[in-house]
Amino acid sequence: DTAVSQTPKYLVTQMGNDKSIKCEQNLGHDTMYWYKQDSKKFLKIMFSYNNKELIINETVPNRFSPKSPDKAHLNLHINSLELGDSAVYFCASSPRGRPEQFFGPGTRLTVL
Amino acid sequence: GQQLNQSPQSMFIQEGEDVSMNCTSSSIFNTWLWYKQDPGEGPVLLIALYKAGELTSNGRLTAQFGITRKDSFLNISASIPSDVGIYFCAGRSNSGYALNFGKGTSLLVTP
Repeated sequence: DTAVSQTPKYLVTQMGNDKSIKCEQNLGHDTMYWYKQDSKKFLKIMFSYNNKELIINETVPNRFSPKSPDKAHLNLHINSLELGDSAVYFCASSPRGRPEQFFGPGTRLTVL
Repeated sequence: GQQLNQSPQSMFIQEGEDVSMNCTSSSIFNTWLWYKQDPGEGPVLLIALYKAGELTSNGRLTAQFGITRKDSFLNISASIPSDVGIYFCAGRSNSGYALNFGKGTSLLVTP
């Protein structure tokens, strides 16, 4: 009965590798988001999709590419990983037109 | 998006004490949300506020939407050890989907 789920929970990889994080929500929400939480716990929006359409694309390196195959899924692919990409990445979703966002458990990415 | 000013940055209190934290913005918001994040988990929505002056409670938690629409407050009464975590405020204007988050208030409660 998980609402917003992410895989994997932990991801440890080497610099230069390409990796993906997957997100799924079973709440029937139309809008999904990716946030990055740095070591100081600051939450910053990266991307948002509404019904598979990109609506927010903050200043994020183009090594990060979101993809929404359907409105229940929003995946994040990262190319050429760098040390500074180490962080916790959260997926979230919200109902159409509503401000309340519901977060997944997070994916802790560590780049060595 | 802008980063909101949230204070205090951390609080260390004894069980049973009341707690207050606040959040301010340089711009007007139409929605204020308060979240709690436990270690290793994602933020969980506690309270949502939709209009200026609104006061809303959720158990021992009470939050208010400031009249200027540029601030919000969260109070926790009679704190218990499970209140430990990081509390985040978040605001949203009508012009977009994004939430702007505060830096968080880290709460520690000793038995």
